[in-house]
Amino acid sequence: ETGVTQTPRHLVMGMTNKKSLKCEQHLGHNAMYWYKQSAKKPLELMFVYSLEERVENNSVPSRFSPECPNSSHLFLHLHTLQPEDSALYLCASSQALTRQITRAYEQYFGPGTRLTVT
Amino acid sequence: GNSVTQMEGPVTLSEEAFLTINCTYTATGYPSLFWYVQYPGEGLQLLLKATKADDKGSNKGFEATYRKETTSFHLEKGSVQVSDSAVYFCALSGPPSNSNSGYALNFGKGTSLLVTP
Repeated sequence: ETGVTQTPRHLVMGMTNKKSLKCEQHLGHNAMYWYKQSAKKPLELMFVYSLEERVENNSVPSRFSPECPNSSHLFLHLHTLQPEDSALYLCASSQALTRQITRAYEQYFGPGTRLTVT
Repeated sequence: GNSVTQMEGPVTLSEEAFLTINCTYTATGYPSLFWYVQYPGEGLQLLLKATKADDKGSNKGFEATYRKETTSFHLEKGSVQVSDSAVYFCALSGPPSNSNSGYALNFGKGTSLLVTP
């Protein structure tokens, strides 16, 4: 595998279900991101992990719970979602910032998980 | 705060036509600038980047020049192909208005390009 992979590619879940999205990066990066992409809305940054610590939680509802067990893997745990949560969920990775480098690096994206909440 | 403005789409061109997608930005400091492309059913792919003023990023026949004096990073291609049909996103390093994170890239809303044979 190369680049950033995401599973599953498609997911349909009911509002009472619990499911998890998985992301894995093979680029040697140590920062990982979750984005939400909805139709006709700008790309929304949800969470950022750097060196396995969460550094950004962009006012995301608690029904979305991220987990980063190591620098190569990122999960998004979902429970009691709403229909408006239906979207494409994108994972990305990049090099981590340092005290010397404070300008964001380019990010590399996975193919996304198309989530439909019924 | 930082922001990116892209031309509204969709843009429809015939094959071999010249492409320009405008992108202007507002930012403090010296951001890096990026163009990403999203093909149907896929994630975003980095197309090209420029990290300082007057840099030209190029890839797959696409080019964009970092113009600090006009705060622009317009994407151009001399001869588009049907396979270039996709959504193109301009982005800059530096947080959007709803984030304080230095990690955040500030994305434009995207411009849809359709190339017809």
